[in-house]
Amino acid sequence: EADIYQTPRYLVIGTGKKITLECSQTMGHDKMYWYQQDPGMELHLIHYSYGVNSTEKGDLSSESTVSRIRTEHFPLTLESARPSHTSQYLCASSEFLPSGTGVAQETQYFGPGTRLLVL
Amino acid sequence: SQQGEEDPQALSIQEGENATMNCSYKTSINNLQWYRQNSGRGLVHLILIRSNEREKHSGRLRVTLDTSKKSSSLLITASRAADTASYFCATDSYNTDKLIFGTGTRLQVFP
Repeated sequence: EADIYQTPRYLVIGTGKKITLECSQTMGHDKMYWYQQDPGMELHLIHYSYGVNSTEKGDLSSESTVSRIRTEHFPLTLESARPSHTSQYLCASSEFLPSGTGVAQETQYFGPGTRLLVL
Repeated sequence: SQQGEEDPQALSIQEGENATMNCSYKTSINNLQWYRQNSGRGLVHLILIRSNEREKHSGRLRVTLDTSKKSSSLLITASRAADTASYFCATDSYNTDKLIFGTGTRLQVFP
């Protein structure tokens, strides 16, 4: 099991509430990611970070925001949750290893996910 | 979209049979990886194959890569009920700083 944690695991809230999904990793990885995934469907990258004070938007437009004040912590915030935000949110961090080809190999380690239901 | 595609989308087999799933991608790659996702959980890295490799083994897993066809296959031999999960391929390349995940194959292994 990877040392990457997400809380809460499950969250049911009402429309309009502000929520923060927590993600922490103890592996010292610089690069971290947030993905959104509907059940049985593909992953959509919504945010990523190269390291402290770095945040980038992913391929899927999202109304959420992220911050990276500490290497190990990458929280995701929804200011006003809506039913369309109902989904599973997966956090990941990356390990880069030399490959011998001059380009590093990236392996991602995923947290267990947060299932969000907005009523 | 750069996203890879996997087929089949879903596969159901009996325990003991082999399961083969395929991944096709669009751009030249450095590495291709396979991940597994149990229902309601995060993804777990299974195996990585480099662009200059053609075949790789890890336990009951066998991965092949054909860069001329921009495709890869994952073979799980002697499947078990515990292999039931979704399987995703992921690629990285020189012109992107992110892994590109495929659409996934849902494997169901019946006891």
